[in-house]
Amino acid sequence: GAVVSQHPSRVICKSGTSVKIECRSLDFQATTMFWYRQFPKQSLMLMATSNEGSKATYEQGVEKDKFLINHASLTLSTLTVTSAHPEDSSFYICSARRQGMVDEQYFGPGTRLTVT
Amino acid sequence: GQSLEQPSEVTAVEGAIVQINCTYQTSGFYGLSWYQQHDGGAPTFLSYNALDGLEETGRFSSFLSRSDSYGYLLLQELQMKDSASYFCAVNQGGKLIFGQGTELSVKP
Repeated sequence: GAVVSQHPSRVICKSGTSVKIECRSLDFQATTMFWYRQFPKQSLMLMATSNEGSKATYEQGVEKDKFLINHASLTLSTLTVTSAHPEDSSFYICSARRQGMVDEQYFGPGTRLTVT
Repeated sequence: GQSLEQPSEVTAVEGAIVQINCTYQTSGFYGLSWYQQHDGGAPTFLSYNALDGLEETGRFSSFLSRSDSYGYLLLQELQMKDSASYFCAVNQGGKLIFGQGTELSVKP
């Protein structure tokens, strides 16, 4: 159990457009999901914590108006990169924490975003 | 502030044992996790220590000393498929803060 999916796995978009990435927990309910960004050969940087039914909590330095997060249900969180620019090109990974569990997160396979 | 330190890269041969150290300075600490990530893939969970001591899971073991703000991941009987990046991550009440990662290269 504990499978997390992301869609799409890869996306290429033009500068100025918006892109939506979905994160789903397939076989468990996740009250909390997390969004990370990872540049090549670097660590995972936490962008925001997504809580079902409430506003996301963004890490310092992450623009909440640029990276819109919606956690509409216990199995789905979405990240929308608005007005994307080439510097937003990165690997975006979500994770889900199983309801009631503190110490383990399950990661999605990631989404490779390229902005041209 | 918060910081995690781990070596940037380690090289070892097949069959050997390797230890990857992690020291941390964070506000709020619930435990230390270890994740493995192959190129282009997602991180996969290896182990978690909330209390001091050694946790063993097959070929992988992880150790934590809360008083020293230090932990390590021990990989035994190395295999070529273990070549990957390994990240320590501090659990801050469910939120994970990752170290910079250690790239492990296993040679024949």
